[in-house]
Amino acid sequence: QVQLKESGPGLVQPSQTLSLTCTVSGFSLTSYNVHWVRQPPGKGLEWMGRMRYNGDTSYNSALKSRLSISRDTSKNQVFLKMNSLQTDDTGTYYCTRVPIYWGQGVMVTVSS
Amino acid sequence: DIQMTQSPASLSASLEEIVTITCQASQDIGNYLSWYQQKPGKSPQLLIHSATSLADGVPSRFSGSRSGTQYSLKINRLQVEDTGIYYCLQHYSAPLTFGSGTKLEIK
Repeated sequence: QVQLKESGPGLVQPSQTLSLTCTVSGFSLTSYNVHWVRQPPGKGLEWMGRMRYNGDTSYNSALKSRLSISRDTSKNQVFLKMNSLQTDDTGTYYCTRVPIYWGQGVMVTVSS
Repeated sequence: DIQMTQSPASLSASLEEIVTITCQASQDIGNYLSWYQQKPGKSPQLLIHSATSLADGVPSRFSGSRSGTQYSLKINRLQVEDTGIYYCLQHYSAPLTFGSGTKLEIK
């Protein structure tokens, strides 16, 4: 069955780079888009960007200068890297194969 | 960017009542509209996709409708387990955009 699972560090220091991995199973990254969505504590959902099935990427314009999404199709993994982290980047980060399948999310805290 | 204006921001209703949440898209998004329920500490769970199609395993008291660029989620016969925050999502074009959420409570 289709599954997505996020992994990465729970704590990142301010100004550092966040690196997250989304490992998928049950489908091919060359057939479906995978998106990253985040949610600050107690707030709404924010789309961050996507890796398209053909390898193209799209980003939220508010994050574009700090964000990079890539993939390794041989490992069924999609990667998120975001630099210059600040405290308001704290939240839960999800990968999702919109609209149906979502990962469980990974909580990231930006703090020294 | 496509804006999704969701209302109301919060809602308190009684058991067995009918509630409706709406999302207004700033431009045509066709049927690329989904509705989610989110409970604390959990991922969003899909309720409705393609504007009107009930997701697998979702109770039939949930339904979606569309009138032009206005989309509605209707919950018939509200149950205790329906508490949570509800979001709409347009995935017609990037950047994908969510509604701001509706917090549903039971009176």
